[in-house]
Amino acid sequence: DAMVIQNPRYQVTQFGKPVTLSCSQTLNHNVMYWYQQKSSQAPKLLFHYYDKDFNNEADTPDNFQSRRPNTSFCFLDIRSPGLGDAAMYLCATSSTGGSREQYFGPGTRLTVT
Amino acid sequence: KNEVEQSPQNLTAQEGEFITINCSYSVGISALHWLQQHPGGGIVSLFMLSSGKKKHGRLIATINIQEKHSSLHITASHPRDSAVYICAVYGGATNKLIFGTGTLLAVQP
Repeated sequence: DAMVIQNPRYQVTQFGKPVTLSCSQTLNHNVMYWYQQKSSQAPKLLFHYYDKDFNNEADTPDNFQSRRPNTSFCFLDIRSPGLGDAAMYLCATSSTGGSREQYFGPGTRLTVT
Repeated sequence: KNEVEQSPQNLTAQEGEFITINCSYSVGISALHWLQQHPGGGIVSLFMLSSGKKKHGRLIATINIQEKHSSLHITASHPRDSAVYICAVYGGATNKLIFGTGTLLAVQP
């Protein structure tokens, strides 16, 4: 089945230790999104890629970076995680042709110790 | 005031009951998503609609563009329907996804 996959599902990192979260998709969608969701809050868009074009949200901290080496993969790098970065990180994809429905991955829950 | 408002915020139902969750929005939109999120889990897209009505199994979603209102109905509710239901719209100045506050549904056996 075509889908959005995130790895790992659970990630524990230490304060200040860089961490990378991974997202892959088999939908061949040209748009990929990264959201941060803290407990009992709505997802917050961090950035998105339209093909190779990177679009950063104005209030996304510099601590958060992203890479998209090809259509299928997108990575979220947190350079120096703080305790406040503990959250669920959601990857989503959409196509720009026809329906723009977003398909979400299962998320990676990040714990910072 | 949020651009996307949902009601109720919390809902408890008995198994088998008919459930309605409402969503109102204040911006112009191109489409509306209904999403489901189980506690601690990822998000599943239930529907995306821009007009009329869609049905999938026991779930029905309707939208009234003129009234800027959408409803999600669950027929014959089941404990496995217990989750947060989120209304999200593509709209506003940026045409990005704007999320509602979510409705926490608990269906008791």
